[in-house]
Amino acid sequence: GENVEQHPSTLSVQEGDSAVIKCTYSDSASNYFPWYKQELGKRPQLIIDIRSNVGEKKDQRIAVTLNKTAKHFSLHITETQPEDSAVYFCAALIWIKAAGNKLTFGGGTRVLVKP
Amino acid sequence: GAGVSQSPRYKVAKRGQDVALRCDPISGHVSLFWYQQALGQGPEFLTYFQNEAQLDKSGLPSDRFFAERPEGSVSTLKIQRTQQEDSAVYLCASSLGYTKGVNEQFFGPGTRLTVL
Repeated sequence: GENVEQHPSTLSVQEGDSAVIKCTYSDSASNYFPWYKQELGKRPQLIIDIRSNVGEKKDQRIAVTLNKTAKHFSLHITETQPEDSAVYFCAALIWIKAAGNKLTFGGGTRVLVKP
Repeated sequence: GAGVSQSPRYKVAKRGQDVALRCDPISGHVSLFWYQQALGQGPEFLTYFQNEAQLDKSGLPSDRFFAERPEGSVSTLKIQRTQQEDSAVYLCASSLGYTKGVNEQFFGPGTRLTVL
């Protein structure tokens, strides 16, 4: 089955600096890669996603890049703010019509933005 | 509109007790998923429903775990004879369904199960 590795497990940055989280996946059939933000005691919330036919996607201060050949994808947060402090999870999904679309998650990155 | 809701939010059980966890998906969402999230880890897939049909239960850790969605809306995850290793947050998620292509899974707040 699919396996997703995520690094680093913790990341401390100064407010205003950039944060980068990297993930690798094992199954080349994976075709959808969402990123979730989970604050302490709260539900995971989608912040950005990318499909396998796209190499890069940006939404304000957040961007995701995908390298299908190397089977890795990354999350970039620029101009970090204290409210960006949370645990971030990458995930991969093999979308097969009618066969389900379960997410395989990475282990998470705890991001701390220091004011 | 209302998001995915789960109840109870917290459950403490003595080892050996049975528990039932409820999920109310977003209205109209065809697909429903259950995930287990151990402390400090990412969610792990348990099972998937499309309407009332359970299409994938490959992630259920043992035959003590059972899930149902009899009318294609509300779902219940039941754990029989709970063990300490069952302690985790159980997350439910729903999505529009495969006919809409790959689409976002919306998560509920989870039920934190503690087995003593």
